Amino acid sequence: AQTVTQSQPEMSVQEAETVTLSCTYDTSESDYYLFWYKQPPSRQMILVIRQEAYKQQNATENRFSVNFQKAAKSFSLKISDSQLGDAAMYFCAYRSEETSGSRLTFGEGTQLTVNP
Amino acid sequence: DTAVSQTPKYLVTQMGNDKSIKCEQNLGHDTMYWYKQDSKKFLKIMFSYNNKELIINETVPNRFSPKSPDKAHLNLHINSLELGDSAVYFCASSRDRGLVYGYTFGSGTRLTVV
Repeated sequence: AQTVTQSQPEMSVQEAETVTLSCTYDTSESDYYLFWYKQPPSRQMILVIRQEAYKQQNATENRFSVNFQKAAKSFSLKISDSQLGDAAMYFCAYRSEETSGSRLTFGEGTQLTVNP
Repeated sequence: DTAVSQTPKYLVTQMGNDKSIKCEQNLGHDTMYWYKQDSKKFLKIMFSYNNKELIINETVPNRFSPKSPDKAHLNLHINSLELGDSAVYFCASSRDRGLVYGYTFGSGTRLTVV
């Protein structure tokens, strides 16, 4: 079964600085998608960024970018110019069609604090 | 214009009661899901329906029963509630089974069993 691991339960960053959240996953599949979701205190799950495994180019969305290392099965999220509104729980997630059915498998989450 | 709406947002009930959580999506998605988020914030899938057909049924007590009257609705009924059922329950939907675009989540229902 696929597993997703986020080894940092908590991280903190100063406002305007850069922070990187780590995620690793375990799979034997070759075609899959990876996602980062943000859950602020409002509880809403918000899609931040996604990456197709067959694409070598790292995905970017404004201040959010990923470092995708397929061979290492690593998918880290970099947040540049951190803002107070970035404070949230961040979840890494994995999805494939081959064996996972329709499920999105989540990591344990990383709680990000942004200090003013 | 909420894309995935869940009701109620908060639910406090006594042990042994039966309760339902409703979910509706207006995105035209063909797959809907229920996830449970425990006290440690871990998200685990419970059920998935594609075009009203059950396609994922995780190891969930029989007291939990999903019902999908049409592909825009997926309700969760829970019988004989237990203290351990206290959690946040998320409904979500996707197109293309969420492979490419992931899921759109509702805002969650915080269930507290006392």
